[in-house]
Amino acid sequence: GNSVTQMEGPVTLSEEAFLTINCTYTATGYPSLFWYVQYPGEGLQLLLKATKADDKGSNKGFEATYRKETTSFHLEKGSVQVSDSAVYFCALREGGSEKLVFGKGTKLTVNP
Amino acid sequence: NAGVTQTPKFRILKIGQSMTLQCTQDMNHNYMYWYRQDPGMGLKLIYYSVGAGITDKGEVPNGYNVSRSTTEDFPLRLELAAPSQTSVYFCASSYSRGPEAFFGQGTRLTVV
Repeated sequence: GNSVTQMEGPVTLSEEAFLTINCTYTATGYPSLFWYVQYPGEGLQLLLKATKADDKGSNKGFEATYRKETTSFHLEKGSVQVSDSAVYFCALREGGSEKLVFGKGTKLTVNP
Repeated sequence: NAGVTQTPKFRILKIGQSMTLQCTQDMNHNYMYWYRQDPGMGLKLIYYSVGAGITDKGEVPNGYNVSRSTTEDFPLRLELAAPSQTSVYFCASSYSRGPEAFFGQGTRLTVV
């Protein structure tokens, strides 16, 4: 079945540090890939997405590139801020499927 | 824009009690979902619906029931609450042809 594996947390960084959160997936077809973010006490919000191979999703300084050859969708940001502290979830949805499949989430804490 | 609205935000139940978690969306989405989020475990799909009158089980349906009498509403019913159902519950919705989902703010349920 489809699955998403993302790096274990928690991740703690200083402000302005570079962020990478790894995400790899297993899928039988050609899924759409997502990063969702969950700020403390809130629901999940879509951060960025990519719907086909080599697409790059970007938003709020975050980027991720859909790599079919390595089945990966790693999240990066060049300079994190305290306000980026949140839990980040990688997810996939197969074309034609009703279901989103989530990774376990990675908690990021950014210290001033 | 209300989006996806869940009520209540918090609830404490005694073992064996029942309750209904409410979810409504005003985006005319035909797909709706219920997830539970346990610490360090990501999101697990409980039930989903692809349209009014149609529901199906997700990964962890035991102990829950759903109905979908209208496009807007997708309530989740717990009949005999157990401590294992202590969790944060999220409702989500999406267009059938849109890959991303929109989430409510969650219901934090404690069963004691």
